[in-house]
Amino acid sequence: GENVEQHPSTLSVQEGDSAVIKCTYSDSASNYFPWYKQELGKRPQLIIDIRSNVGEKKDQRIAVTLNKTAKHFSLHITETQPEDSAVYFCAASETGNQFYFGTGTSLTVIP
Amino acid sequence: GAVVSQHPSRVICKSGTSVKIECRSLDFQATTMFWYRQFPKQSLMLMATSNEGSKATYEQGVEKDKFLINHASLTLSTLTVTSAHPEDSSFYICSALKLAGGNQETQYFGPGTRLLVL
Repeated sequence: GENVEQHPSTLSVQEGDSAVIKCTYSDSASNYFPWYKQELGKRPQLIIDIRSNVGEKKDQRIAVTLNKTAKHFSLHITETQPEDSAVYFCAASETGNQFYFGTGTSLTVIP
Repeated sequence: GAVVSQHPSRVICKSGTSVKIECRSLDFQATTMFWYRQFPKQSLMLMATSNEGSKATYEQGVEKDKFLINHASLTLSTLTVTSAHPEDSSFYICSALKLAGGNQETQYFGPGTRLLVL
């Protein structure tokens, strides 16, 4: 089955700086890679996703890059704000099938 | 939008009893729903894939007789934890797969159910 690894497990950045979270996956059949933000006690919320037919996608301060050859994808948050503090999960999925999650990154943005 | 509800949000039960958790997609039909378990400060662990009108597909290590899943309609999946024990205490989250145009799908999560077995 699919194995998704995520690094780092914790990340602290100063407000305004950038944050980068990296994930690797093992199953070359995976073709959909969403990123979720989960605040304490709440449900995961989709913040951005990328499919295997593109290498990069951007939405305001958030961007995701995908390297299919190396089987890794990354989340980039620029101009971080305190409200970006949360746990972020990457996931990998083969279209319509199971989603496998990374272990999560606890991001703290220091004002 | 895409709203997924889950009921109950919290449940406390005695050891040996069964607990049913409902997951509903409120404004879209979901052929596929997923059930996850999440321990404190840990990631979501996929338990099973629930497909409307067919048997659920369980992940390795998840007891299908322990965690009964029924996906009776395109908007409802239920997870029943049978003969619950304290080690079953956890946060259970469901999600529903919404299909958009171009055969693309997005996963939307329910708010979760916190189960405490005494």
